[in-house]
Amino acid sequence: GESVGLHLPTLSVQEGDNSIINCAYSNSASDYFIWYKQESGKGPQFIIDIRSNMDKRQGQRVTVLLNKTVKHLSLQIAATQPGDSAVYFCAESTSGTYKYIFGTGTRLKVLA
Amino acid sequence: DAEITQSPRHKITETGRQVTLACHQTWNHNNMFWYRQDLGHGLRLIHYSYGVQDTNKGEVSDGYSVSRSNTEDLPLTLESAASSQTSVYFCASSSGSGNTIYFGEGSWLTVV
Repeated sequence: GESVGLHLPTLSVQEGDNSIINCAYSNSASDYFIWYKQESGKGPQFIIDIRSNMDKRQGQRVTVLLNKTVKHLSLQIAATQPGDSAVYFCAESTSGTYKYIFGTGTRLKVLA
Repeated sequence: DAEITQSPRHKITETGRQVTLACHQTWNHNNMFWYRQDLGHGLRLIHYSYGVQDTNKGEVSDGYSVSRSNTEDLPLTLESAASSQTSVYFCASSSGSGNTIYFGEGSWLTVV
């Protein structure tokens, strides 16, 4: 898998621009997906989730898109703010199982 | 508000000592989990529990144990701490399979 911390892929965006963070998931049987935000020194924080019977879900300033054909998930953040700077990672799960598979994430840097 | 609290947040211990990390959740969730997060890896599952008196091994369970005597708590014990167990440990909980998993703020453990 990808590395956590120093070797994370990084996305740098200007404050006010939109951000798109991508995630390729591994299990075609996965039917529930979650995006988390993790700030330095803190635990992962739930942002938004989506089930496999949907292809888009919107929250406050965030949108998650799901493409089951290519097993791809994306998180869109509108009008990115300095407080959005963090590591973002996706998680996948299958109903009826305990197991969550976590990606190692993308570091988002917001440039003033 | 419901939450998950971990203690201690930071600990330094010596090789060979027994260490217990506490986790307490007020969500009234049946499912509780312990993960570790290291550079080069995403979140890796150590142990999990589906309810009182139930415990199960995850993918990296060697050297760790848990017990579940009530719904709220899942303490993680390192029987004889090793330097390879230096890591950040996250407790998490969910209401059921295929549902959102919520994380605590983490316990930073250093074994010297």
